[in-house]
Amino acid sequence: DSGVTQTPKHLITATGQRVTLRCSPRSGDLSVYWYQQSLDQGLQFLIQYYNGEERAKGNILERFSAQQFPDLHSELNLSSLELGDSALYFCASSVNAGGNSPLHFGNGTRLTVT
Amino acid sequence: DQQVKQNSPSLSVQEGRISILNCDYTNSMFDYFLWYKKYPAEGPTFLISISSIKDKNEDGRFTVFLNKSAKHLSLHIVPSQPGDSAVYFCAASATREADKLIFGTGTRLQVFP
Repeated sequence: DSGVTQTPKHLITATGQRVTLRCSPRSGDLSVYWYQQSLDQGLQFLIQYYNGEERAKGNILERFSAQQFPDLHSELNLSSLELGDSALYFCASSVNAGGNSPLHFGNGTRLTVT
Repeated sequence: DQQVKQNSPSLSVQEGRISILNCDYTNSMFDYFLWYKKYPAEGPTFLISISSIKDKNEDGRFTVFLNKSAKHLSLHIVPSQPGDSAVYFCAASATREADKLIFGTGTRLQVFP
C-alpha cells in the first residue's frame, strides 16, 4: 500500500460530460502529480502541485484542470470529454518538489468515455 | 518527442537467469533516473534510482547501470524470480528544469519457471 488514495477506481461516462478525479497523497507529502496512461503508452505527465501551488505543467489539455486544496488533497477535472480521453489516470505524491524524490503512486482511476 | 525510450516492449526470461531491461534517453539535462515496477491493477512502485554522478547502484537483486556518454541505462535483475513478472518503467528528471518525471513506455517482463 503506497498510502496514496485515488477515487473512484472506475468511471464510465459519455462524451461531452465532465468528471472529477480525487487524490489524497501520502501523509506528509506536499507534492501531488497527475499522470495519464493511455493504451500501450507510457505515463504522460499532466501537472504537478506543491503545497497548494501549481509547480510544473506537462501535456495537459485546456479541457483539463487541477487544483490542490489546503488539506493537500488534489482533484483533476476533465471536461468536454472525448473518446480519446479514456485512460488510466494516476496520482502520485512525494515529500518535496524536487524531481529527484521517488514518487508514490495510487492505484489509478480508470476512465471510460463512451 | 519521446525523451525516454524503452525499445523492447516485452522480455521473457527463465527463473534464476538474469533479466536485463534497457532504457535510452535523449535529453542531456536529465540527471536523475529511476525504475518503477507495475503489477496489473496497481500503480507503479518505485524500485531503484541512480544519480548522474554515479554509474552503478545496487539494491539486493536489482542493479541499475548508467552510461552517460551513450545516454543509456539498464536494470539488471539477478536471479530473476516469477514474482518479478511485471511491467518495468524507466523514468528521468532534470533538476534544473521543471520537476516533472518523464517515463518510458515500459517493458513487460515475464519470468517463467
